[in-house]
Amino acid sequence: DTAVSQTPKYLVTQMGNDKSIKCEQNLGHDTMYWYKQDSKKFLKIMFSYNNKELIINETVPNRFSPKSPDKAHLNLHINSLELGDSAVYFCASSQDTAERTGELFFGEGSRLTVL
Amino acid sequence: KQEVTQIPAALSVPEGENLVLNCSFTDSAIYNLQWFRQDPGKGLTSLLLIQSSQREQTSGRLNASLDKSSGRSTLYIAASQPGDSATYLCAVRPWTGTYKYIFGTGTRLKVLA
Repeated sequence: DTAVSQTPKYLVTQMGNDKSIKCEQNLGHDTMYWYKQDSKKFLKIMFSYNNKELIINETVPNRFSPKSPDKAHLNLHINSLELGDSAVYFCASSQDTAERTGELFFGEGSRLTVL
Repeated sequence: KQEVTQIPAALSVPEGENLVLNCSFTDSAIYNLQWFRQDPGKGLTSLLLIQSSQREQTSGRLNASLDKSSGRSTLYIAASQPGDSATYLCAVRPWTGTYKYIFGTGTRLKVLA
């Protein structure tokens, strides 16, 4: 069973289009994230949600709109795609417990190419 | 502002060598530090998580240490194998803005058979 799953894995689209990436985790975690990995492989946080509430919005353009319908899902919708949006987008989740503060678990990534 | 740096950026070693990867962070106020492995075209796999109260963690041939006062962590890989070839990333979770992991720049490791 895949713990954190993202769809689609690959996405090729034209500038100006709108697209969505979906993420689901079956770990029972209460915190989910979107990260962006650029062409130099640097990972940067975009959003984090805790119990469906937006906690972090890391100065991401408002063309990016995350939505968390429930604790197990965090989707990312992108409007008016630009060339610079081409990257790999990773979903992740974590859970804080009394013994451990949240180990991050990642999905396989969604590679977005904007032409 | 927390910054995380990894040195070296790339490393190539013959099979069987013991090696050390370094991770430095600028603010010692952290909840934890996590080491990951990323294979080409794949997601990140968690290797070791060190809580702020711990000094080290071990898993198989991997040992990670944490020295918060000096802002450093090392990942030690014993008896390296070609299958260890990957990019290794460290990430810190700061006390402030806790739902936010800050990643290092990564070390690309190649183990030669």
